[in-house]
Amino acid sequence: GDSVTQMEGPVTLSEEAFLTINCTYTATGYPSLFWYVQYPGEGLQLLLKATKADDKGSNKGFEATYRKETTSFHLEKGSVQVSDSAVYFCALSDRGYGGATNKLIFGTGTLLAVQP
Amino acid sequence: GAVVSQHPSWVICKSGTSVKIECRSLDFQATTMFWYRQFPKQSLMLMATSNEGSKATYEQGVEKDKFLINHASLTLSTLTVTSAHPEDSSFYICSARDPGTLVNVPYEQYFGPGTRLTVT
Repeated sequence: GDSVTQMEGPVTLSEEAFLTINCTYTATGYPSLFWYVQYPGEGLQLLLKATKADDKGSNKGFEATYRKETTSFHLEKGSVQVSDSAVYFCALSDRGYGGATNKLIFGTGTLLAVQP
Repeated sequence: GAVVSQHPSWVICKSGTSVKIECRSLDFQATTMFWYRQFPKQSLMLMATSNEGSKATYEQGVEKDKFLINHASLTLSTLTVTSAHPEDSSFYICSARDPGTLVNVPYEQYFGPGTRLTVT
C-alpha cells in the first residue's frame, strides 16, 4: 500500500541554519503531497502542499518540490528561527473523485529543535 | 482559516468505562471527518472515516464495536471508546474536510487539537 518515509529526528539546529527534512513516498497513483506542522500543545496545521509533479509548495519560508522521478518531497528552509521548533509530518493523499483528497497517510514525524 | 475543536482536551477514566470525544467544525460544514490515533513519538494512524448520515468506514485492525463513531450532523462527529482499557490510552485527533467551492481543488483537512485519553 501507499506509504511515507521521513527522516528520524530529532533535528537540532542553531538559529539561521539551513533546514532539510527528507521525505520519500510510495504510491500507486498520483498522490497529493503535504507537510503538516504540530507546535507544542497544538493540533496539526497544514504548512504547504503540492498536487502534481514539479509543483513547489511554499509557506512561511518553507519550500518543498514534488519530485516524481525520485518520489520525494523534501522540506527546506533557508534560515530557521526558534519559533520553527515543532514536529513536522510529511503526508500523502489520493486525489479521489473530483480532486477531493481522501485519507491522509502520514510519515512518522520529525522533531525540529532550533536553539538561539 | 477553518477551525475544528475537540472536547474534552484530556480525560482520565477507569478501566471498563466508556468515554465520548466530540469533534466539531466551527465555521464550516464537514460532510467527512476523520479520526486518528497518535502514539508517543509516532505518527498519526487513521482509525476511521466518518461520513455525515452514514456508517463510518473503519481501517483494517480497528474494532468498530469498541470505537463507536457517530456523525449525526454536518458539524459534529463523536468517537466513543467503549469498555476502555489501559492499552486504549492515547492521543486521539480528528480532522474535518472542508468541501470547498471548486471541484478541482483538493479538499483541505483541518485538524482538531486532540484529546489525551488516559485509562487507569
